[in-house]
Amino acid sequence: DQQVKQNSPSLSVQEGRISILNCDYTNSMFDYFLWYKKYPAEGPTFLISISSIKDKNEDGRFTVFLNKSAKHLSLHIVPSQPGDSAVYFCAASEGNQFYFGTGTSLTVIP
Amino acid sequence: NAGVTQTPKFQVLKTGQSMTLQCAQDMNHEYMSWYRQDPGMGLRLIHYSVGAGITDQGEVPNGYNVSRSTTEDFPLRLLSAAPSQTSVYFCASSRTGEWTDTQYFGPGTRLTVL
Repeated sequence: DQQVKQNSPSLSVQEGRISILNCDYTNSMFDYFLWYKKYPAEGPTFLISISSIKDKNEDGRFTVFLNKSAKHLSLHIVPSQPGDSAVYFCAASEGNQFYFGTGTSLTVIP
Repeated sequence: NAGVTQTPKFQVLKTGQSMTLQCAQDMNHEYMSWYRQDPGMGLRLIHYSVGAGITDQGEVPNGYNVSRSTTEDFPLRLLSAAPSQTSVYFCASSRTGEWTDTQYFGPGTRLTVL
């Protein structure tokens, strides 16, 4: 049973606009949430994270929001750039184990 | 500093064959792990290790063995390959495995079992 879900397999956004990627989870014991970016034929690379005790974390153009009551997190990319086109995975950790979502393929159109 | 390396990049096996996927890191990381990525399933944790001599099962361990004799290496063994093990395999490492440590992933091994 998938504990971390990304219900949108793909998203297209115009360059310069905001990209919003969503993620839902079911396990209330998750204590840390992460976003990874993956290009074809490469391994995922870490993008941004948030602890379960916070509701927002920013790093440049990337902001992650966490709504614990709704068991929902989102990644905002502003402004979106063509180089952001990739597959984005959200992940959650419980102890030493990490659980990943199925990924959302983002295409930023120039 | 090569980071996390995986060999081979591609492999085709016949059902019942055995093989070992190699993973090495040169960052002196204690935590290493193996994931498989399947369409519609995301990345799923197979096995992980918090240090030399210590391994544990992840979400989907059946059909796979691991060992950790050194800090640098964490090989994944398929004793009798099955078509259901066709997947892309990623190895990852982090300093301690704590959620505050960044995980670094290798480039992946694409395995096909016929």
